[in-house]
Amino acid sequence: AQSVSQHNHHVILSEAASLELGCNYSYGGTVNLFWYVQYPGQHLQLLLKYFSGDPLVKGIKGFEAEFIKSKFSFNLRKPSVQWSDTAEYFCAVISGTGGFKTIFGAGTRLFVKA
Amino acid sequence: GAGVSQTPSNKVTEKGKYVELRCDPISGHTALYWYRQSLGQGPEFLIYFQGTGAADDSGLPNDRFFAVRPEGSVSTLKIQRTERGDSAVYLCASSARTGVGNIQYFGAGTRLSVL
Repeated sequence: AQSVSQHNHHVILSEAASLELGCNYSYGGTVNLFWYVQYPGQHLQLLLKYFSGDPLVKGIKGFEAEFIKSKFSFNLRKPSVQWSDTAEYFCAVISGTGGFKTIFGAGTRLFVKA
Repeated sequence: GAGVSQTPSNKVTEKGKYVELRCDPISGHTALYWYRQSLGQGPEFLIYFQGTGAADDSGLPNDRFFAVRPEGSVSTLKIQRTERGDSAVYLCASSARTGVGNIQYFGAGTRLSVL
């Protein structure tokens, strides 16, 4: 069965520290990859997505992610985090072309200390 | 509407009761998805609608769960004979199109508590 693995369940950083959240998926074919973010008290919202082309994708608020096909990975990065980045981050994958079933990872809770 | 609307925001029920959870997608969105999110987990796919029909219901855990979308807009997730293990946040999402490129917009969810 397809699965998405997020390596860290909880991350605590100080402001201005660099962030990298790991994500690995199990499907070997064509994939669409996503990072979603849920800020405290808010809806789940899309942070960035990869469908094809340049494996380094940039999203909102200075976030970026790199798709490494050989490693089945799609890690999320930000060079310098802010207190407002405190949120839960979910990696997700849709496998195949025209697929609709999104598989989510368990999420990583990020807390940024001011 | 401006976003995906889910009602009620919270639902408390007793074991064995029947519940209905409603999702009102973004106007014009043809695709609608239901997910269940248990504590400490990511959203778990339940069912996907394209228009009025359920295109993929492989995530429904058992026959106590059923969802409809009779007019291709509002959807209702129905749970019969609720069990304590059904307690979770039920999320709805909609997207303007299907397949590659679809971006899902999520509602705030309905928190279901089965006592």
